Amino acid sequence: DAGITQSPRYKITETGRQVTLMCHQTWSHSYMFWYRQDLGHGLRLIYYSAAADITDKGEVPDGYVVSRSKTENFPLTLESATRSQTSVYFCASSESNVNYGYTFGSGTRLTVV
Amino acid sequence: EDKVVQSPLSLVVHEGDTVTLNCSYEVTNFRSLLWYKQEKKAPTFLFMLTSSGIEKKSGRLSSILDKKELSSILNITATQTGDSAIYLCAAFFYNQGGKLIFGQGTELSVKP
Repeated sequence: DAGITQSPRYKITETGRQVTLMCHQTWSHSYMFWYRQDLGHGLRLIYYSAAADITDKGEVPDGYVVSRSKTENFPLTLESATRSQTSVYFCASSESNVNYGYTFGSGTRLTVV
Repeated sequence: EDKVVQSPLSLVVHEGDTVTLNCSYEVTNFRSLLWYKQEKKAPTFLFMLTSSGIEKKSGRLSSILDKKELSSILNITATQTGDSAIYLCAAFFYNQGGKLIFGQGTELSVKP
């Protein structure tokens, strides 16, 4: 299917565990982004990537790791999950850095217990 | 620090009312202001505003940017229950690459 897909949709994990959230897009968009959404904070940028093998930190990168070995995939890893990382995570992609119509995935709801 | 602030954070109206949502921004190298609507899942794009004073319209929704005041408003006329959602404002700017920074969102609830 064309578009941007995130997996899993829901995830419950324990404190201290490593967990990876997956994001896949089929448009060959250069730019990809990870946001987290928490009540009262809107969407906050965690990491973004301008192309394969090029990544950079956003507003709230601590505790997260990203990689982008292929243009279409942009996984987000929580190396040692904490309760404060309980959130809804959205992946987005964009054709260029002057584009404005980011397309978002459906989100992953992560609960850390 | 770059930031986007929305007000009010929540709003309850009745069908048929007109609402105005506010967004202010303080970002360096500002390029454009975007509005998104978010229902149960992912945000969906509504408007992108680049020029000051030019209104964008889509049905009952309209939006305008004021670069002098560093702000934007989103108007919804004759509200319907289907307008109930979180409305997100975001500023697109350049800082080591293009980035989109979001406000906290306004949660709109339209009662029948």
